[in-house]
Amino acid sequence: GENVEQHPSTLSVQEGDSAVIKCTYSDSASNYFPWYKQELGKRPQLIIDIRSNVGEKKDQRIAVTLNKTAKHFSLHITETQPEDSAVYFCAALGESGSARQLTFGSGTQLTVLP
Amino acid sequence: DGGITQSPKYLFRKEGQNVTLSCEQNLNHDAMYWYRQDPGQGLRLIYYSQIVNDFQKGDIAEGYSVSREKKESFPLTVTSAQKNPTAFYLCASSTHPGLAGPYNEQFFGPGTRLTVL
Repeated sequence: GENVEQHPSTLSVQEGDSAVIKCTYSDSASNYFPWYKQELGKRPQLIIDIRSNVGEKKDQRIAVTLNKTAKHFSLHITETQPEDSAVYFCAALGESGSARQLTFGSGTQLTVLP
Repeated sequence: DGGITQSPKYLFRKEGQNVTLSCEQNLNHDAMYWYRQDPGQGLRLIYYSQIVNDFQKGDIAEGYSVSREKKESFPLTVTSAQKNPTAFYLCASSTHPGLAGPYNEQFFGPGTRLTVL
């Protein structure tokens, strides 16, 4: 089955700086890579995603890049703000048993320091 | 955030007891999922169901059971066989499992925090 590794586990940045979170995956057949944000005490919510036929996708201050050859993808947050502080999870849609399922990374706690 | 609910928000269980966590959705989604969240370990899949009356084991199914008698409901039972059940449990649903893109966006419930006394 799919295995997703996420780094770093914690990340602190100064307000206004950029933050980068990286994930690697094992299943070369995985074709969809979403990122979820979980604020303290709240449920995870999708913030951006990318399909395997695209190398980069942007949405205002956030962007995701995908390198299929190296099997890794990254989340980039520019001009970070205190409200960006949260746990971020990457995921990959790959084979899991008899079906294709999302496999999540272990999460990155991002802290934006004022 | 509306559309998928979980109850109770907090649950306390004595050792040796079975407990059932509720998950309901009114999004007309085919697929539903149960995850366990422990600090530093992300979201681990317990069980999932792609259609009514069918469900599959995830990565950590031992000590858990589920049913899917209705499209809207996917209850999770934590049995006494689960050795370390204290955790945060998240239920999710999606339109079409296995398809890349927006059809696979998972919508999460607010979670149930289970503590074994």
